[in-house]
Amino acid sequence: DGGITQSPKYLFRKEGQNVTLSCEQNLNHDAMYWYRQDPGQGLRLIYYSQIVNDFQKGDIAEGYSVSREKKESFPLTVTSAQKNPTAFYLCASSLSPQLAAGRRWAWETQYFGPGTRLLVL
Amino acid sequence: KQEVTQIPAALSVPEGENLVLNCSFTDSAIYNLQWFRQDPGKGLTSLLLIQSSQREQTSGRLNASLDKSSGRSTLYIAASQPGDSATYLCAVSQGAQKLVFGQGTRLTINP
Repeated sequence: DGGITQSPKYLFRKEGQNVTLSCEQNLNHDAMYWYRQDPGQGLRLIYYSQIVNDFQKGDIAEGYSVSREKKESFPLTVTSAQKNPTAFYLCASSLSPQLAAGRRWAWETQYFGPGTRLLVL
Repeated sequence: KQEVTQIPAALSVPEGENLVLNCSFTDSAIYNLQWFRQDPGKGLTSLLLIQSSQREQTSGRLNASLDKSSGRSTLYIAASQPGDSATYLCAVSQGAQKLVFGQGTRLTINP
């Protein structure tokens, strides 16, 4: 089955520690995204990547880092510089607009993973 | 800066009722608007996507409308069922695949 997987489901971070959240997709999507969701709020974009080896900052990138070495994978590292990391983190993917011309409805839809809840000890 | 607002924050209705969820946005220069469903502790599922040139989209008991000039969208749910209980989020796209989300409406359908 095609889809997006995120691991772990729950993650605990100690003070001063960096932690990495995994996101993998087998949908052959070029674009991938990381969002943060706080209680009672909508999603806010952390980082996104339209193609391998390239990524851009979103609205709240401070204290986070990403890499995109493979098309299928887009891991997010929450660094010790992120002072309020407790949140629900969601990864998403979509077709690249350049590759889906003529199927506009498809490339504009983002598909989401099940999320990782990060808690601070 | 685009801002998306959803009212009400929470809604509780008896089973079988028709209901409307509201979404407003401040900048009408959008590519599309999407409605998502989120179950507790889960990811998002796309329900409907309306292109900026469209007025509405329908899927089963769901109908979404878009009035770009007034910065408003509604999600109409017909004959509500307990399984419709979830948080509903709307999001607008302003290019580069970037989505701006509202805070969501938490819907409870009472049997």
